[in-house]
Amino acid sequence: AQSVTQLDSQVPVFEEAPVELRCNYSSSVSVYLFWYVQYPNQGLQLLLKYLSGSTLVKGINGFEAEFNKSQTSFHLRKPSVHISDTAEYFCAVTYTGGFKTIFGAGTRLFVKA
Amino acid sequence: EPEVTQTPSHQVTQMGQEVILRCVPISNHLYFYWYRQILGQKVEFLVSFYNNEISEKSEIFDDQFSVERPDGSNFTLKIRSTKLEDSAMYFCASSPPRDGSSGANVLTFGAGSRLTVL
Repeated sequence: AQSVTQLDSQVPVFEEAPVELRCNYSSSVSVYLFWYVQYPNQGLQLLLKYLSGSTLVKGINGFEAEFNKSQTSFHLRKPSVHISDTAEYFCAVTYTGGFKTIFGAGTRLFVKA
Repeated sequence: EPEVTQTPSHQVTQMGQEVILRCVPISNHLYFYWYRQILGQKVEFLVSFYNNEISEKSEIFDDQFSVERPDGSNFTLKIRSTKLEDSAMYFCASSPPRDGSSGANVLTFGAGSRLTVL
C-alpha cells in the first residue's frame, strides 16, 4: 500500500540550530515528493518539491530536501532555524500517473529561543 | 499571486443536516481536489476531479459525499447528512496541467473550511 511515514511527531529545537525532519515513503517505480508547511490556523503551503533531476532541492525560507531513492527517503533540512519556522510540516508523495497526493502524519517543529 | 479561495471559513451544523463547502480554484488549473484533516490527525485525500468527472476517490468518499463544478469557477463538496465524525478541516486544492517534463500534479491549497457537527 502507498504510504508516507514521518518518523518524528514533534521536534523541539533551539533557535539558530540545524534541524532535520525525516520522511520515508513506500517504494514504487516513480514518485513525486513534496514538503508542505502549515502555520497555525492556516492552509498548506508548498515548501519544496522533487519532480525529477537533481536529488537536492531547495525551497522557500532556506529549507532544502534530498531525495534518496535507495532509502526511499526525502528528509527536510535547514541549517539554522528561526522562531518563525515553528509550524507543522507534512511530507507528501504522488505516485506516477496517480491523482492523489498522500500525506504523512506531520511533524510539529517547535523552535525555542 | 493566484490563490484558492474557500467559503465558509467555519461552519457549525447539526447532525443529519446537509452541508455544502465551496471553493474557487485558480482560474487556469484543470485538476481539483478535496482533502480533510481531522483535528490533530493527518491530511487525508477525499477526491480528485478532472474534466468534469471524478478521477479518483478514497474509501472515505462514500455515498454521503458528492462534488460538483456547477459553473466555470466554483468547485463544491456536499455532505448529504452530516455525522459527528465529519467534523474536520476541509481543504480544497487545485493544480495546473501536469508538469510538462515530469507529469506531476503540484497542488495549491486553500485556507480550509472548518466544519463542526454537533
